[in-house]
Amino acid sequence: GQNIDQPTEMTATEGAIVQINCTYQTSGFNGLFWYQQHAGEAPTFLSYNVLDGLEEKGRFSSFLSRSKGYSYLLLKELQMKDSASYLCAVGDSNYQLIWGAGTKLIIKP
Amino acid sequence: GAVVSQHPSRVICKSGTSVKIECRSLDFQATTMFWYRQFPKQSLMLMATSNEGSKATYEQGVEKDKFLINHASLTLSTLTVTSAHPEDSSFYICSARDPRQGDHNEQFFGPGTRLTVL
Repeated sequence: GQNIDQPTEMTATEGAIVQINCTYQTSGFNGLFWYQQHAGEAPTFLSYNVLDGLEEKGRFSSFLSRSKGYSYLLLKELQMKDSASYLCAVGDSNYQLIWGAGTKLIIKP
Repeated sequence: GAVVSQHPSRVICKSGTSVKIECRSLDFQATTMFWYRQFPKQSLMLMATSNEGSKATYEQGVEKDKFLINHASLTLSTLTVTSAHPEDSSFYICSARDPRQGDHNEQFFGPGTRLTVL
């Protein structure tokens, strides 16, 4: 079967760093995506990893290890507006995205 | 970047009526569009994959006669919720792939439609 696991909820402090982990087991692999979703809104694209290693984009970085079926999203210098759900998704060979349940990130002052 | 619009953004209807939701790719031609449903505090659930000019592919457990999908052009897909009931109240989101991306699987999402069935 296909499975994507990520923590249900995390709490962090404004200005700090937080790492959201995602592990996956899929029948095919065509890239791993991270999306951000604020309550009541559609997801917005954050990052894409298809090769092993770290991709950095401003305050956000994403890491992938294909051999371990593992990725993480690293958020630095947290701001209150970063409070949202973060969705991990794996692209399969049919151009569909297999979605994790999402991690709700709560930022406290 | 690729832009996807969705209309209406919010709809309230009576039980038993049908509701049509439109999804448009504004600056690219989308051969494949996806329809998702999301209940409160839950993740996205793929309902169906819509391919231009052919029948949609529905996920297991999704009634194709209740959720009618039409992808008549490369820029428009519609989802019609027929004989809507209160349990169909949900957030419906469409997304599309931009074929210019090649093997990159990124999906561009519409803003979503909040359906409330009374």
